[in-house]
Amino acid sequence: DIQMTQSPSSLSASVGDRVTITCRASQGISDYLAWYQQKPGKVPKLLIYAASTLQSGVPSRFSGSGFGTDFTLTIGSLQPEDVATYYCQKYNSAPQTFGQGTKVEIK
Amino acid sequence: QVQLVQSGAEVKKPGASVKVSCKASGYTFINYYIHWVRQAPGQGLEWMGKINPSGGSTNYAQKFQGRVTVTRDTSTTTVYIDLNSLRSEDTAVYYCARGLDGSHDFWGQGTLVTVSS
Repeated sequence: DIQMTQSPSSLSASVGDRVTITCRASQGISDYLAWYQQKPGKVPKLLIYAASTLQSGVPSRFSGSGFGTDFTLTIGSLQPEDVATYYCQKYNSAPQTFGQGTKVEIK
Repeated sequence: QVQLVQSGAEVKKPGASVKVSCKASGYTFINYYIHWVRQAPGQGLEWMGKINPSGGSTNYAQKFQGRVTVTRDTSTTTVYIDLNSLRSEDTAVYYCARGLDGSHDFWGQGTLVTVSS
């Protein structure tokens, strides 16, 4: 099975900072990559699919890039409401494995 | 509006089975896969499997093969996940989610399954 590895596992940044989270697949997955945000005690929310397509209603400060094995989620200007854990997920084939998550906090 | 409404919390003993439902509304049921994802306390997300409501075909993660069954009832637009031989490690919140292009655009509210003797 293809493994998904996120880095870092956690980060702390200031409001307004640019934040980057990376996700690496152990084999190529084309652009079948999604990013989710999960706030504490809440249901996961789809942010980006097809590696770079912003889901409807998601703020434009979120962006995604990458193809093949290396992917990036960027928060252009970190806001207090962005405190959450972020997960990548590959979906080119089953099993649709998630990364282990990146916890984002405000410094 | 799209809604996925799951059944309530369950408490089960080790070795028992649990069946969680997910009722879909607000869209054409047979046009979108339904996936099941679980999250153990304090842990990450774990994909379990999916069903194509149109024909009923399923795919499961290897880890759950033989222990999990996902079914659907098109007359009530409801999907079910049945997990047997429960152990303490199966204690988790179980989510159903609609498949967009394979990603999950709408999620149920989650069902807590507690396995304890």
